[in-house]
Amino acid sequence: KNEVEQSPQNLTAQEGEFITINCSYSVGISALHWLQQHPGGGIVSLFMLSSGKKKHGRLIATINIQEKHSSLHITASHPRDSAVYICAAHNYGQNFVFGPGTRLSVLP
Amino acid sequence: GAGVSQSPRYKVAKRGQDVALRCDPISGHVSLFWYQQALGQGPEFLTYFQNEAQLDKSGLPSDRFFAERPEGSVSTLKIQRTQQEDSAVYLCASSSPGQGSTLYNEQFFGPGTRLTVL
Repeated sequence: KNEVEQSPQNLTAQEGEFITINCSYSVGISALHWLQQHPGGGIVSLFMLSSGKKKHGRLIATINIQEKHSSLHITASHPRDSAVYICAAHNYGQNFVFGPGTRLSVLP
Repeated sequence: GAGVSQSPRYKVAKRGQDVALRCDPISGHVSLFWYQQALGQGPEFLTYFQNEAQLDKSGLPSDRFFAERPEGSVSTLKIQRTQQEDSAVYLCASSSPGQGSTLYNEQFFGPGTRLTVL
C-alpha cells in the first residue's frame, strides 16, 4: 500500500465545473503540500498546510489531520487548470513522500 | 534568474555511459533535494543536502548514483554506467529554513532534467 494515495487518477471536466481531488496518507506528517505539474515537468507549489483550510484564488485546500485526508478543490475550472496535481506529505524528516498524481483535463 | 535551474534539460545517453546532472538552487537556500520521476508516476525522493552536508541519501537506488554539493550551493547528481531503468525526469528542489523550524518549508522545484538511456 502506498503511503500517499490520490483519487481519482485521471479526471476530465468541462470548463466551469467544480473539481475535487482527494489525497489520503498513512504516514505521520508535519505538513502536506499540493503541487501542480504542467507538461514539460515544471512543478509549482500550490499550498502547504498542516491544519484547516487555505484558499488562493479559485483553489481551496483542506486537511483533516485525524482522518489523514486532504482535498484540493478548483472552482470555476478553466482549460489552463489542466495539469497533474500531486499531493506530497512532508514527513518529520526533510523529504517528501509523493502521491502518484491526478491528471486533470479541463475541456473548453 | 530567481528560480531553481537545472541543466541539461534533456539528456540522451547510451547504456553504460556516465552522466552528470546539475542543479542551481535559489540563492541562499540551505536545503537541496533530488527526486526521480518515472513516466506517469509521482516523484520519488533520492537525496537531501543541508548546505554541503548530505544528510539523507536513502533514496538513491544503487551505488551507481552519487550526489554532491561541495560548496553548499550548486549540486551535481552523477549516474555511472547508466541503465535503461534510469530513464526518468530528475527533479531538483531547494528550500530555505523557516523561522524556528525546518519542518514546514515550501520547496521550490526546478524544471527537471529528462534522461533517456538507450
